[in-house]
Parts: sequence; C-alpha cells; structure tokens
Amino acid sequence: GENVEQHPSTLSVQEGDSAVIKCTYSDSASNYFPWYKQELGKRPQLIIDIRSNVGEKKDQRIAVTLNKTAKHFSLHITETQPEDSAVYFCAASLAGGTSYGKLTFGQGTILTVHP
Amino acid sequence: DARVTQTPRHKVTEMGQEVTMRCQPILGHNTVFWYRQTMMQGLELLAYFRNRAPLDDSGMPKDRFSAEMPDATLATLKIQPSEPRDSAVYFCASALPWDRENNEQFFGPGTRLTVL
Repeated sequence: GENVEQHPSTLSVQEGDSAVIKCTYSDSASNYFPWYKQELGKRPQLIIDIRSNVGEKKDQRIAVTLNKTAKHFSLHITETQPEDSAVYFCAASLAGGTSYGKLTFGQGTILTVHP
Repeated sequence: DARVTQTPRHKVTEMGQEVTMRCQPILGHNTVFWYRQTMMQGLELLAYFRNRAPLDDSGMPKDRFSAEMPDATLATLKIQPSEPRDSAVYFCASALPWDRENNEQFFGPGTRLTVL
C-alpha cells in the first residue's frame, strides 16, 4: 500500500518568513495530493490540493509543487503570519478502482510562526 | 454552511464498556471515512464506505471494532469491548462522488474518546 513520509516534524519561523514542508510517497499510481491544516482542537481542513497532471498550484500565499518522477511534493507558505501556526498534513490518494478517495496521510508538521 | 456532524464530542468510559460513535455526513456525499488520530500514529484510516457499502476496513481491529451505515445519513463506529489503547480522537469525513473536480474530504469535529 501507499506510504507517505513528511518532513520536518516541527518547523519554527519568524513572522514574514517562508515555510516549506516536504512529503514523499511510494506508490507511483497515486495521482491526488491534498494538504490539510489542523488548528489545535479543531478538525483538519483542506487548504490546497494538486493532481498529478499539474506540476504547481498556487493560492494566494500558499503553493504546492509536485515532482512525479521523484515522487515528492511540497507545501510552500510565504509571508507567514501567526495564524498560520497549526499542524499541516500531506496526503496521497489513488484515483481509480475501488481505492479512489482513500487518503494516506503523512505524520504531520507542527508549524509555529513567531510574531 | 453544510458540515459533517459527530456525536458525542467527548466520551469517557471504563475499560470493557461498549462505545458507539455517530456521524452524519453532508447531504449528497456518498463516501464516508472513519479516521483515528493519536499523537503516536497520526491520522489513520479505519474504514470507509461508498454508497453505504463498506469498501475497506483493513485499518480497523476486527475483533473489537465495527463500522456500519444504517442509512445514507448515519454512519456508526462501535468499539466493544473498549481498551485504554483505544483512547484517541475519532474523525468522520465525507466526500462527494469522486471526479476530476470533487475530491475534498470534509471532516467532522471529532469524538474525543478516553478509556480508563
């Protein structure tokens, strides 16, 4: 089955700096890669996703890049703000057959943005 | 603003007791997932259903866990008997039929389970 590795496990930055979180996946058939943000005590919420037919996607201060050959994808947050502090999870999914929609999550990255 | 709902939000029970957690998916969503979140294991998929049919429950301890969808508006996760190692936050998530545009899983608020 799919295995997703996420690094780093913790990340501390100053407000205004950029933050980068990286994930690798094992199954080359995976073709959907979402990122979820989870604030303390809250539910995970989708912040951005990318499909394997796209190399990069951007939404305001966040962007995701995908390298299918190397089987890794990254989340980039620019101009970080204290409200970006949360746990971020990457995930990978197959699209097709009965497994479609089944997400395998990385272990999470605790991002702390210091004012 | 449609949301996934879960009950109870918190549950404290003693080892050996039965625990039932309920989830109401967003109306129109045909896929329902159950996840368990712990500090050590992160977010683990326990089981999921599509059009009320179980597709995969390989992440679930079969001897004590069971998941069902009695109807399209209710999913249940039952633990019997519960053990201290089951203490975790259990999330339900639902999703629209999979296509090129609709892939997001919407999570409920979770049930925080403590087994003493």
